[in-house]
Amino acid sequence: GNSVTQMEGPVTLSEEAFLTINCTYTATGYPSLFWYVQYPGEGLQLLLKATKADDKGSNKGFEATYRKETTSFHLEKGSVQVSDSAVYFCALSGRNSGNTPLVFGKGTRLSVIA
Amino acid sequence: DTAVSQTPKYLVTQMGNDKSIKCEQNLGHDTMYWYKQDSKKFLKIMFSYNNKELIINETVPNRFSPKSPDKAHLNLHINSLELGDSAVYFCASSQDRTPNEKLFFGSGTQLSVL
Repeated sequence: GNSVTQMEGPVTLSEEAFLTINCTYTATGYPSLFWYVQYPGEGLQLLLKATKADDKGSNKGFEATYRKETTSFHLEKGSVQVSDSAVYFCALSGRNSGNTPLVFGKGTRLSVIA
Repeated sequence: DTAVSQTPKYLVTQMGNDKSIKCEQNLGHDTMYWYKQDSKKFLKIMFSYNNKELIINETVPNRFSPKSPDKAHLNLHINSLELGDSAVYFCASSQDRTPNEKLFFGSGTQLSVL
């Protein structure tokens, strides 16, 4: 079945540091890939997505590239801010499985300190 | 206006009780979901409804019963609550069940079973 594996957290960084959160996936066919973010006390929000190989999703300075050859969708940001502190979820949706909702990774907590 | 709203935000109750969580979306979406997030932030699908019809029922105990009176509402009833039911429950919606669809989440209901 489809699954997503994320790097274990928590990740603690200083402000302006470079961020990478690793995500790899297992899926049949060609899934769509997503990053969702959960700020404290809130529900998840879509951060970015990519629907086919080599697509790059980007939003709010975050980027992730759909790498079919390595089955990865790593999240990166060049300079993090305290306001980026949140839990980040990698997710996938099987393209040919209309009844299957998003499958989420276990989440990676990011704490950015000033 | 909140797009996906769920009530209550916090729910504290005793083992064996029956409780309900309500969810409403004002986005005109056809598909609604319930997710459970455990203490380690792992997010797992429980149910999915499309136009009031149940389309996904993951291996959830039958003590959990979703009810969708119309496509804008998906309530979750839980009978005979157990300690292991303590978690944060998220309602979500999407325009339809197409795999690429963005999910909109409510802010969660933190259930504590004592």
